[in-house]
Amino acid sequence: AQKVTQAQTEISVVEKEDVTLDCVYETRDTTYYLFWYKQPPSGELVFLIRRNSFDEQNEISGRYSWNFQKSTSSFNFTITASQVVDSAVYFCALRDDKIIFGKGTRLHILP
Amino acid sequence: DAGVIQSPRHEVTEMGQEVTLRCKLISGHNSLFWYRQTMMRGLELLIYFNNNVPIDDSGMPEDRFSAKMPNASFSTLKIQPSEPRDSAVYFCASSPHSPANEKLFFGSGTQLSVL
Repeated sequence: AQKVTQAQTEISVVEKEDVTLDCVYETRDTTYYLFWYKQPPSGELVFLIRRNSFDEQNEISGRYSWNFQKSTSSFNFTITASQVVDSAVYFCALRDDKIIFGKGTRLHILP
Repeated sequence: DAGVIQSPRHEVTEMGQEVTLRCKLISGHNSLFWYRQTMMRGLELLIYFNNNVPIDDSGMPEDRFSAKMPNASFSTLKIQPSEPRDSAVYFCASSPHSPANEKLFFGSGTQLSVL
């Protein structure tokens, strides 16, 4: 069965600090896809990144980076030099056919 | 493209009333997902469709909930009768069914309050 675990319910850091959001997943499929979405206070769900199970290359996009490790079934997300605008709920998701989301991590960036 | 369109944005109703939430998919998308978001349970998948056919409704809480796709571009989620514990934000999302790595495109959600 599919499962996505985001063990960190809530994190607070001071602006400019780096922060890593953890995501651990479970699936029996060999082909699957992983996603991160951001939900700012306005409520919409914003796509950040997708990764397929055959591509373990880490990715960097500006201040955002993602570390995919199949050996530990993890797909962690790091924000470098955090900013107040990064304050949001972040969801990790797994797709084989349907898409299952973790419960989210609420990130507070304090000025 | 206008994106996924949900209506209404907000719904306040009394316990026992019927509630219908609506969703218009992005043109060309053939997978449709309904999610419910609450503080306690996060984003729960209620049901999803491929090509208008319900594939997995195991997340539908109980028989009071039903979902339909009367055509390829439109879906409804109905709660009858509604209860206060149904209060949540309901999102629908669409994507192409293939390739399976496609991301979901979410609507803005319907904030439902059942008094």
